Amino acid sequence: AQSVTQLGSHVSVSEGALVLLRCNYSSSVPPYLFWYVQYPNQGLQLLLKYTSAATLVKGINGFEAEFKKSETSFHLTKPSAHMSDAAEYFCAVSDLGGGYSTLTFGKGTMLLVSP
Amino acid sequence: EAGVTQFPSHSVIEKGQTVTLRCDPISGHDNLYWYRRVMGKEIKFLLHFVKESKQDESGMPNNRFLAERTGGTYSTLKVQPAELEDSGVYFCASSARQGANEKLFFGSGTQLSVL
Repeated sequence: AQSVTQLGSHVSVSEGALVLLRCNYSSSVPPYLFWYVQYPNQGLQLLLKYTSAATLVKGINGFEAEFKKSETSFHLTKPSAHMSDAAEYFCAVSDLGGGYSTLTFGKGTMLLVSP
Repeated sequence: EAGVTQFPSHSVIEKGQTVTLRCDPISGHDNLYWYRRVMGKEIKFLLHFVKESKQDESGMPNNRFLAERTGGTYSTLKVQPAELEDSGVYFCASSARQGANEKLFFGSGTQLSVL
């Protein structure tokens, strides 16, 4: 069985500060890992995904995440927050090759950015 | 190119009533998924269509939920009779192909409130 834990339902940062959103997963098989973002009144958008290639994955809008097998983590970072980054972020895990029917999400982290 | 469209965006019904949610996937996408997010909980998989066939409906909570995808185009998700615990956001997503390169596109969801 798979599971995802996102630490912190809300994270607040100042504009220009480092963004760090934490995600830990459990999976009995090598996982695919994803970060999605949901802006208000919009659908989920894929930020980035890890599929067993490079452990450091770069995504859209300056975000990146590092897969650390020993820590079963896939934390999302961005060096400098913008006001437009305010949204809800979801970490998700899928069985390798299992497709999106096996996609398991975390509870989400709301990122608040203050001026 | 139009994205994944969901109707209605919001629905408020009373316990015991029937509600039908609709999803129009991106044209040409064979894969269609339904997910649900109950308040404060994770987004969870409900079912997966490949064209008009149900590939996986293991996430459907009970037989009050009926999903169809006649003709392999749009899909409907009917809840009859609705219960209080059915409240949440119902997301639809579609993709063109499965496997490592599958990219999932989400709709903005239907917020269902059962009173």
